[in-house]
Amino acid sequence: ESVLTQSPGTLSLSPGERATLSCRTSQSVISNYLAWYQQKPGQAPRLLIYGASSRATGIPDRFSGSGSGTDFTLTISRLETEDFAVYYCQQYGTSAGITFGQGTRLEIK
Amino acid sequence: QVQLQESGPGLVKPSETLSLTCTVSSGSISSYYCSWIRQSPGKGLEWIGFIHSSGNTNYNPSLKSRVTISIDTSKNQFSLRLSSVTAADTAVYYCARLLGYSLDYWGQGTLVTVSS
Repeated sequence: ESVLTQSPGTLSLSPGERATLSCRTSQSVISNYLAWYQQKPGQAPRLLIYGASSRATGIPDRFSGSGSGTDFTLTISRLETEDFAVYYCQQYGTSAGITFGQGTRLEIK
Repeated sequence: QVQLQESGPGLVKPSETLSLTCTVSSGSISSYYCSWIRQSPGKGLEWIGFIHSSGNTNYNPSLKSRVTISIDTSKNQFSLRLSSVTAADTAVYYCARLLGYSLDYWGQGTLVTVSS
């Protein structure tokens, strides 16, 4: 079973800055199988990125995903107030099912 | 627009069975996998399992011995049963659609508390 490790645990930035969130997997992942979610307090997670780099429907283009193998990145180019939330990466494994990272909290500095 | 809605008791006694249903509106659930995910208070996301209308299931190994997910395509619903619950099973339970390899539509979630 592949373990997903997200870093940093908490990221403190100001609106307008660039955010870079990391997701490292313990085993190589097929890029199609890697996704990113945003979760705000009291809400269900929202799919941001699927297939490592494809934006989900309605997601602004300031969100982008990249990476391959065991290292994946979610980048938010210019932070807006509504982007401060918790972000999770997720992988799909054909035998192990679905696994989530522990999350990165993006907070206003 | 696909919408999912969880329903079921918000309070379950220890050692009993937690039962939840997810009703999907707009579109047939026969076309994709239906999944359950939970989130303990203040914690991260934990995948429970998923089912396809073919009956194919896949469960989280850590919960497999206690979990059953079933599907009723005629009602566009799928259900979760988690047996022998303890306080550690207290969580917000979400149902979601698994399309491809990601979860693109989620229910709002329902809090289930395990307590006597």
